[in-house]
Amino acid sequence: EPEVTQTPSHQVTQMGQEVILRCVPISNHLYFYWYRQILGQKVEFLVSFYNNEISEKSEIFDDQFSVERPDGSNFTLKIRSTKLEDSAMYFCASSDRANVLTFGAGSRLTVL
Amino acid sequence: GIQVEQSPPDLILQEGANSTLRCNFSDSVNNLQWFHQNPWGQLINLFYIPSGTKQNGRLSATTVATERYSLLYISSSQTTDSGVYFCAGSGNTGKLIFGQGTTLQVKP
Repeated sequence: EPEVTQTPSHQVTQMGQEVILRCVPISNHLYFYWYRQILGQKVEFLVSFYNNEISEKSEIFDDQFSVERPDGSNFTLKIRSTKLEDSAMYFCASSDRANVLTFGAGSRLTVL
Repeated sequence: GIQVEQSPPDLILQEGANSTLRCNFSDSVNNLQWFHQNPWGQLINLFYIPSGTKQNGRLSATTVATERYSLLYISSSQTTDSGVYFCAGSGNTGKLIFGQGTTLQVKP
């Protein structure tokens, strides 16, 4: 079964450092998403991406965050200057036109 | 925006027991999915069920769209069913709104 692949599975970084989380969505999917889950809390929407531009973003997705599809297969989330409160599990997801989302295994970010 | 409420928040079962998890939505949704988050944190898609009933092995789900709720049934539960179950819904986009989840523990 096709899957969404995320790397790294776990990253530890110092406050103020830049972090890039990478995702390879399912190959024939057109819509891409990032969600995050702070430990013990629910999963929250960050951003959706279609046709090489952001289609929707939440208020969490401030100027510190950016997304990019640098080539035909990767989809990245960059956090410019990490804060302690950015520590969370970050999930990438992709969907076809039917909007049935398939999630990756997640990237756990720990900011010290 | 859409609000999603799940119940119960926690559930402890003996292996072999059946259970029903509920998800209520504050507004109509066009997309509704149930997920299982395993102990490693992975979100496994169980059902895409904006309406009607679906079954997959010991799991089944029913969504009554007109009354804005969905139910997930787990029959003959096993220890591997343990984890957190989330429902999530959206309007016409992929912006899924998640509930707080039901934490299920199945004891041997």
